[in-house]
Amino acid sequence: EAGVAQSPRYKIIEKRQSVAFWCNPISGHATLYWYQQILGQGPKLLIQFQNNGVVDDSQLPKDRFSAERLKGVDSTLKIQPAKLEDSAVYLCASSLSTGPETQYFGPGTRLLVL
Amino acid sequence: AQKVTQAQTEISVVEKEDVTLDCVYETRDTTYYLFWYKQPPSGELVFLIRRNSFDEQNEISGRYSWNFQKSTSSFNFTITASQVVDSAVYFCALSEAVSNTGKLIFGQGTTLQVKP
Repeated sequence: EAGVAQSPRYKIIEKRQSVAFWCNPISGHATLYWYQQILGQGPKLLIQFQNNGVVDDSQLPKDRFSAERLKGVDSTLKIQPAKLEDSAVYLCASSLSTGPETQYFGPGTRLLVL
Repeated sequence: AQKVTQAQTEISVVEKEDVTLDCVYETRDTTYYLFWYKQPPSGELVFLIRRNSFDEQNEISGRYSWNFQKSTSSFNFTITASQVVDSAVYFCALSEAVSNTGKLIFGQGTTLQVKP
């Protein structure tokens, strides 16, 4: 069974530019998560989708970050404009449903903002 | 407030040594779930184990074992006869049932280096 796919794997941009990340969850998984992992820290949840609806976006910096999961499968996370402090690994995870289901993670996208 | 603490930032051992990674958690919820994930240099978080708060039985899986003690709010992870391939960052995480979202609260992680 294919795991969670993410692209690109690496991205380098200058501050104030925009960037987008893509995630394809495990087939059949209704819940999709985006986490931000700053170097030396544990991942922090940015946004959670159940199918195409948002469950939790309380920690998403909405002035610059946006995310969508229009058809309830793939998801895109966008940053516009990027700041230096956005340099991090962006991890996508999926689970069968909400609640304490095991989350399976993709390889992440490493973003460097110069 | 929920919190996970992994006090050991880095641990270095020689191959075949046993090593224990500590995890202490805080929660007001009576029903919760605890997880361990491994993050090798490739970056992907690999699921290792999930335990619920009502199951305090210790678990063993090959060279891995987990000790869950509600009395001390700890969920420690032991690797027996460590190998170089065990070198990675290990994260402990907490999910509270009250929110029913499955949101994971991660600790800071422990970097394990196993030397040949």
